[in-house]
Amino acid sequence: EAQVTQNPRYLITVTGKKLTVTCSQNMNHEYMSWYRQDPGLGLRQIYYSMNVEVTDKGDVPEGYKVSRKEKRNFPLILESPSPNQTSLYFCASRPEPGQGTTEAFFGQGTRLTVV
Amino acid sequence: GENVEQHPSTLSVQEGDSAVIKCTYSDSASNYFPWYKQELGKRPQLIIDIRSNVGEKKDQRIAVTLNKTAKHFSLHITETQPEDSAVYFCAASRLRNDYKLSFGAGTTVTVRA
Repeated sequence: EAQVTQNPRYLITVTGKKLTVTCSQNMNHEYMSWYRQDPGLGLRQIYYSMNVEVTDKGDVPEGYKVSRKEKRNFPLILESPSPNQTSLYFCASRPEPGQGTTEAFFGQGTRLTVV
Repeated sequence: GENVEQHPSTLSVQEGDSAVIKCTYSDSASNYFPWYKQELGKRPQLIIDIRSNVGEKKDQRIAVTLNKTAKHFSLHITETQPEDSAVYFCAASRLRNDYKLSFGAGTTVTVRA
């Protein structure tokens, strides 16, 4: 089954304690991205990756890091989480333009609370 | 960068009536406009999309229209049903270069029985 898998689904952590949210896709998509969803603000892009070892900042990258060592994985790293990073996070993947569909497939979401 | 504005933020309709959500975008190079539906506690999922070479697209009870000159596009849901209750997001993207999807803030649609 084609899917994007995020872990964990729920996470409560304390300020300053490093954490990683994993994301994996099995559709061989080149393009992957991370979004955060906050009430009234929609989905805002944090980072994206066009391919292995190619990453770039989205609209709200401060306080986050990513890596793309393999095509299928795109982890989101919070080196020193703060309460303003409490949010619902989604990973998404898309095929390259010209590969038929341009649909973005989303993971199940990760509800992060930083206290 | 691209800026997508979406209205209204909330919409309550009687079952069987129509619902219309409108979005505007700022980047004239955007040429792909998808709509995503997010049910409560679920992930966003694509329900319909349109490319800039088409003015209108329909899929059963949903349709999307695009006005490239005015840089706005709309989602129309006819004969609304309770299962249409969800948050709807519009988005805009170029199908080249950074390929980024920029989303609107979302519309919470409630269908009253």
